Amino acid sequence: KQEVTQIPAALSVPEGENLVLNCSFTDSAIYNLQWFRQDPGKGLTSLLLIQSSQREQTSGRLNASLDKSSGRSTLYIAASQPGDSATYLCAVRGGNQAGTALIFGKGTTLSVSS
Amino acid sequence: GAGVSQSPSNKVTEKGKDVELRCDPISGHTALYWYRQRLGQGLEFLIYFQGNSAPDKSGLPSDRFSAERTGESVSTLTIQRTQQEDSAVYLCASRLTPGGTEAFFGQGTRLTVV
Repeated sequence: KQEVTQIPAALSVPEGENLVLNCSFTDSAIYNLQWFRQDPGKGLTSLLLIQSSQREQTSGRLNASLDKSSGRSTLYIAASQPGDSATYLCAVRGGNQAGTALIFGKGTTLSVSS
Repeated sequence: GAGVSQSPSNKVTEKGKDVELRCDPISGHTALYWYRQRLGQGLEFLIYFQGNSAPDKSGLPSDRFSAERTGESVSTLTIQRTQQEDSAVYLCASRLTPGGTEAFFGQGTRLTVV
């Protein structure tokens, strides 16, 4: 059974710092991995999608990497801003092409102070 | 609409009553997912639809929970004889195909059972 773990559970940084959020998964047979952002009381906003054949994806100040063989992904946030404060969720899809659910980690809650 | 739409956004119900939650996926998205998120917890997978059929119902927590989808569009999640432990945010997501595309989430329905 696939399990997804995110470390740390919470992180507080001052504005301007670069930071890394970690995600690990137990079954390396994934189809893709997706990073989301969730603001308090809101739904999920997709940030980056990495296919299993890819090593990384970039969007603005965000860079996500994937090492499928070791079961790890990182989300790098450059020059953090107070508006980046949110919970960041990592989710993986299994290797069954018939369609499988995203399995989520519990998230990392980020707080960026000005 | 452009995104996944869920209704109602908030629902307060008395213990023992039945509730129906609605999800309108992005037009043309054949894959649809329901998740539950209890306060302070991660996302729990409930059920996955491909078209109008549900190949994966493994996450439904009890026979009080059921879901259907019609016209390869709208889905309803029904909870019968609600219990206090059913209080959570219920999130719906849709995807263009069951393949390697991004999942997009609605804003969720916050269900409170009193």
